[in-house]
Amino acid sequence: GEDVEQSLFLSVREGDSSVINCTYTDSSSTYLYWYKQEPGAGLQLLTYIFSNMDMKQDQRLTVLLNKKDKHLSLRIADTQTGDSAIYFCAERASGGSYIPTFGRGTSLIVHP
Amino acid sequence: EPEVTQTPSHQVTQMGQEVILRCVPISNHLYFYWYRQILGQKVEFLVSFYNNEISEKSEIFDDQFSVERPDGSNFTLKIRSTKLEDSAMYFCASSEATQNYEQYFGPGTRLTVT
Repeated sequence: GEDVEQSLFLSVREGDSSVINCTYTDSSSTYLYWYKQEPGAGLQLLTYIFSNMDMKQDQRLTVLLNKKDKHLSLRIADTQTGDSAIYFCAERASGGSYIPTFGRGTSLIVHP
Repeated sequence: EPEVTQTPSHQVTQMGQEVILRCVPISNHLYFYWYRQILGQKVEFLVSFYNNEISEKSEIFDDQFSVERPDGSNFTLKIRSTKLEDSAMYFCASSEATQNYEQYFGPGTRLTVT
């Protein structure tokens, strides 16, 4: 079945760039997502990319997709303390089930 | 901004007891979901619900689990006889439709079975 893997922790200094990585196994993945979960809140869709794209930029966020290696990354430029959260990678294929497959989440800790 | 709410935020129950986790989806949404995340593990899909019936469920969603939309606003997950391994964070989500529509998640209910 589908599998999504990501590292559990990332610690960065405020102002630096953060890069959160994710790998997935389903070659039919069409939609790849990044969700953010702040303490006490639900998962919030941060950004997503279609599999026919290599890159998507949205303000401080850059998503890179290497479809050949099934590797997805989220880069946060100028990381702020408010970016401290858990970031979940998720994927789903087109057609059939519309349910995304999630990873475990990467806990991003931003320190001054 | 409309949001999905869940109650309670934390539920402690004894093994073998029944629990009901409650969710209020966003009012104009038609699709509802339950997910769970056991501590340190992945967010796992349990069930989706549309038009008053289950549209999809995972192998985790066995006979111990049931869902209901008892009125026009609430969406509930019932665990009939809780086991220690049911201890997890349970997330409710809702969406306007399915394909290409964002799922909005609630803050979760932490269920602790002792």
